[in-house]
Amino acid sequence: KQEVTQIPAALSVPEGENLVLNCSFTDSAIYNLQWFRQDPGKGLTSLLLIQSSQREQTSGRLNASLDKSSGRSTLYIAASQPGDSATYLCAVYGETSGSRLTFGEGTQLTVNP
Amino acid sequence: GAVVSQHPSWVICKSGTSVKIECRSLDFQATTMFWYRQFPKQSLMLMATSNEGSKATYEQGVEKDKFLINHASLTLSTLTVTSAHPEDSSFYICSARSQGGYGYTFGSGTRLTVV
Repeated sequence: KQEVTQIPAALSVPEGENLVLNCSFTDSAIYNLQWFRQDPGKGLTSLLLIQSSQREQTSGRLNASLDKSSGRSTLYIAASQPGDSATYLCAVYGETSGSRLTFGEGTQLTVNP
Repeated sequence: GAVVSQHPSWVICKSGTSVKIECRSLDFQATTMFWYRQFPKQSLMLMATSNEGSKATYEQGVEKDKFLINHASLTLSTLTVTSAHPEDSSFYICSARSQGGYGYTFGSGTRLTVV
């Protein structure tokens, strides 16, 4: 059974810092990995989707990497801003989960002005 | 990009009544939609998977007679919470897997409060 773990559970940083969020998964037989952002009381917004054949994806100040063999992904946020404050969720889609996503518990990020 | 529209965004209902939540894929056809429930400060819990034209598949522990799911078309899935009770109060989110490399797209969620 696939399990996804996100570290840290919470993170508070001053504005302008570069930061890294970590995601690990137990079964490396995945098709893709997706990073989401969730603001309080809102749905999920997709940030980056990495296919299993890819090593990284970039969008603006965000960069996500994938090391499938070691079961790890990182989300790098450059020059953090207060508007980046949200919960970040990592989810994998793979052979053992049918057509379903397996989520981590999320990292709650607070960027202080 | 792929967009999923979910309505209503919030609803308050009296105990014993039923509430319907709609989820529409606006610019793609969703043969499969997923319904999640989320408690405060927790991650998403998959409730059921709905496939267009067939019965939904419910996760273990989810009462299929309480949470009725209908997926009558390729763009619309509905979740009806029947005979709602205060313990059904939660945040419900739908999702669909789109083609074209967009992965999974989520609705904006529905906050249900049963009083």
